[in-house]
Amino acid sequence: KAGVTQTPRYLIKTRGQQVTLSCSPISGHRSVSWYQQTPGQGLQFLFEYFSETQRNKGNFPGRFSGRQFSNSRSEMNVSTLELGDSALYLCASSLGSGTTEAFFGQGTRLTVV
Amino acid sequence: AQSVTQLDSQVPVFEEAPVELRCNYSSSVSVYLFWYVQYPNQGLQLLLKYLSGSTLVKGINGFEAEFNKSQTSFHLRKPSVHISDTAEYFCAALSGGSYIPTFGRGTSLIVHP
Repeated sequence: KAGVTQTPRYLIKTRGQQVTLSCSPISGHRSVSWYQQTPGQGLQFLFEYFSETQRNKGNFPGRFSGRQFSNSRSEMNVSTLELGDSALYLCASSLGSGTTEAFFGQGTRLTVV
Repeated sequence: AQSVTQLDSQVPVFEEAPVELRCNYSSSVSVYLFWYVQYPNQGLQLLLKYLSGSTLVKGINGFEAEFNKSQTSFHLRKPSVHISDTAEYFCAALSGGSYIPTFGRGTSLIVHP
C-alpha cells in the first residue's frame, strides 16, 4: 500500500510570508502528527490530529497551525515566516492507538530567506 | 513527562565491526520503546519496537535491541555493520496512555570502509 506522502518536497519562502504543507497518510490511518526537525533542536513535536480533531499539541507559537480533513489528509500552515522556521517538516501517520508505530513521510524541506 | 537520552551524538565505526547505540529513558510504569533510522533527506523508518514480552527484540537489517527495565535502557546493537548502515538513528519512548512518542536527539552512525 502507498506510504505517507508529503508535498511539496522542497520549498523556499521569504521572511514574513506564509506557507502550507500537505500530508496524505496511509489509507486507514486516522492519526496524523507533525514534527519539525532541525540540526540544533532535533525532532520536535508540533501537533497531532485524530479524526479531524487536534488531540495533542507541542510547544510552538500560534503561527503554527494545522487541520485534518474527513479523508484524514492533513495540512500544516505557518504564518509570518521567520528565518528560524527553516527546517525539515515531517508528517507521520498511525492507526491512532498509543502502541502502534508511526509511519513517516519523506518530509518537506522549508528554507526561509 | 517522558524523556529519552541518546548518550552518543556520533558513533564512528569500521565496516564489519560490531556497534552499540545507547538509549536511556526516564522511568515509567509502562513504556513502549522504538528505534527509527533516517537516511539523508528521508523520513524516519521503524527498525524495531518493544511493546511487551521478550526483552530481546529483533528488527530489520540485522539490528536488535535489549530492553533493560532496571537500567531503563534500550540499546541498539548490530554484530557487523555495513557502509549502507550510515544514517541517523533515533530512539523513542511512548508512556502508557500517551499517543505521542518522545524522541531522543539522535545518534549519527558513520561506517568507514
